[in-house]
Amino acid sequence: EDQVTQSPEALRLQEGESSSLNCSYTVSGLRGLFWYRQDPGKGPEFLFTLYSAGEEKEKERLKATLTKKESFLHITAPKPEDSATYLCAVRGGSARQLTFGSGTQLTVLP
Amino acid sequence: ETGVTQTPRHLVMGMTNKKSLKCEQHLGHNAMYWYKQSAKKPLELMFVYNFKEQTENNSVPSRFSPECPNSSHLFLHLHTLQPEDSALYLCASSQDLIRGTQYFGPGTRLLVL
Repeated sequence: EDQVTQSPEALRLQEGESSSLNCSYTVSGLRGLFWYRQDPGKGPEFLFTLYSAGEEKEKERLKATLTKKESFLHITAPKPEDSATYLCAVRGGSARQLTFGSGTQLTVLP
Repeated sequence: ETGVTQTPRHLVMGMTNKKSLKCEQHLGHNAMYWYKQSAKKPLELMFVYNFKEQTENNSVPSRFSPECPNSSHLFLHLHTLQPEDSALYLCASSQDLIRGTQYFGPGTRLLVL
């Protein structure tokens, strides 16, 4: 059974204070690791897909990396508008559905 | 309209009511999904449709009844719900089931009284 654990559950940063969110996963044959951003009361917004260890993707202040056991979402010099819940999900080789983590709630203070 | 749309955005219903949630995707995708999101819990997959055919039903109670008339539209019919069914119901679509990225709608916030 695929499993995803995200840490920390909540993170408060000062504007400009860089940090990383962690997504640890257990899956049989990874077919994709997905990062989403979710604002309160809205649907998740797709950010990145990573397929193999060593892969990295960037978008503005966000950078996602992948190893064989975990993924990190690095946030460089965050701004208050980066405040949201960040969700991680995996698709395993034997499953056609995604397994989601519980998310990390990020708050960036001005 | 672009992306995935859902109506209504908010719904309050009594336990004896019957209501329906609607989802439409404008992305030309072949697969559509219903998820339930409760506070502090991971997204729970409810149903999956691929080319209008249901491929997954994750032990969802029969008071939830999905309908997929074509690849662009998905409905979730609700009847005799319980207060614990109150949640954010999310629709998503993807190009295919195997590698496609899922794109989500804004959700319907449901409150069952």
